[in-house]
Amino acid sequence: GESVGLHLPTLSVQEGDNSIINCAYSNSASDYFIWYKQESGKGPQFIIDIRSNMDKRQGQRVTVLLNKTVKHLSLQIAATQPGDSAVYFCAENMNAGGTSYGKLTFGQGTILTVHP
Amino acid sequence: NAGVTQTPKFRVLKTGQSMTLLCAQDMNHEYMYWYRQDPGMGLRLIHYSVGEGTTAKGEVPDGYNVSRLKKQNFLLGLESAAPSQTSVYFCASSYLAGRPEQFFGPGTRLTVL
Repeated sequence: GESVGLHLPTLSVQEGDNSIINCAYSNSASDYFIWYKQESGKGPQFIIDIRSNMDKRQGQRVTVLLNKTVKHLSLQIAATQPGDSAVYFCAENMNAGGTSYGKLTFGQGTILTVHP
Repeated sequence: NAGVTQTPKFRVLKTGQSMTLLCAQDMNHEYMYWYRQDPGMGLRLIHYSVGEGTTAKGEVPDGYNVSRLKKQNFLLGLESAAPSQTSVYFCASSYLAGRPEQFFGPGTRLTVL
């Protein structure tokens, strides 16, 4: 796969542990946040999203927390499995007058490695 | 449904050559996007389209052109390739601006020598 992991933050966990991946976003006008997972050699895959009027949203084994005061987003993965090993990106959508056309600004990414 | 597909998967060009990357989606999505991904820099938006016949510039449009003649296809052109355009290119599509989840293709790895 492509070497997209150079100089990215990394997180190593043991199988079964919980993982927390953090993201600082830049624009206080962003109204929508998305987490993506990218496995080696593949395109990003949607995990979970959250609107700016929420502070927590849960999915299957994943939880996203949003702290607008400090412009911080986190992704929690419960009972992490080797198949969760990937690069994780946060993305924000700024609704500029309702016409952002779904444009996303992506963070740099975090490499998650899960050891059996 | 195939989702979002991209052709080719790999390509090597010499400086100054031209090429076109093709993106196709079968989800009837209105919005389509082209990104490039470089090591340690995440994804950066090159151009996007909000509907058939419309295109707009993204964050890094220089050196690229796009066309959306059909709703399901979004083409990215490099008229005169440069080594700085060596990257992995991803196409994405989405249905509604109100829920900006984007669906990505598998990517095209381009090397410019």
